[in-house]
Amino acid sequence: DTAVSQTPKYLVTQMGNDKSIKCEQNLGHDTMYWYKQDSKKFLKIMFSYNNKELIINETVPNRFSPKSPDKAHLNLHINSLELGDSAVYFCASSQVFNNQPQHFGDGTRLSIL
Amino acid sequence: AQSVAQPEDQVNVAEGNPLTVKCTYSVSGNPYLFWYVQYPNRGLQFLLKYITGDNLVKGSYGFEAEFNKSQTSFHLKKPSALVSDSALYFCAVRDKSSGSARQLTFGSGTQLTVLP
Repeated sequence: DTAVSQTPKYLVTQMGNDKSIKCEQNLGHDTMYWYKQDSKKFLKIMFSYNNKELIINETVPNRFSPKSPDKAHLNLHINSLELGDSAVYFCASSQVFNNQPQHFGDGTRLSIL
Repeated sequence: AQSVAQPEDQVNVAEGNPLTVKCTYSVSGNPYLFWYVQYPNRGLQFLLKYITGDNLVKGSYGFEAEFNKSQTSFHLKKPSALVSDSALYFCAVRDKSSGSARQLTFGSGTQLTVLP
């Protein structure tokens, strides 16, 4: 019973393709996040959704589009993939209060050929 | 604006010795502070947090951290390191006055290696 699960775990594709990463949490949290971790392990917030509403949208190319069909799911769709998109993408969730820790999935390793 | 710095990319310590992983932060108001650990090919796992109250916070796996407001630091410590503690450690901060944004800012990470 994984708390935050992402699929797929690995994604290898060619430049120019469109791909999606799915995330589900079973913790009853109302806020979900997408992070990008680069090859130097630097972690950067991309998006955050609270109760299906976008609340954080950092400077991310508009080729990246998050979609939250319900509180338990936050998917990430990426159009026209570029070499620089190669990274590990992490989904996370937390409760509404500011002092609650975030729970992370195990990541999706995206490799662009 | 909020930021966090982890001045050491790498910390090596012998098994059984005490360990310290350093973190300093900057916020305009008061901070919420967190430590997370990342093992290879895994997501970040929460270790401990400082919200308010006692400056010494105890967390998972025998880790603790000391909040020092005057030095704006939140160093992670453990009295006796284990080889299994070897991992990547992240400090994170959120400004209490950030309202509904709830955005965490992470440090650049410190790779801890415990030598047998």
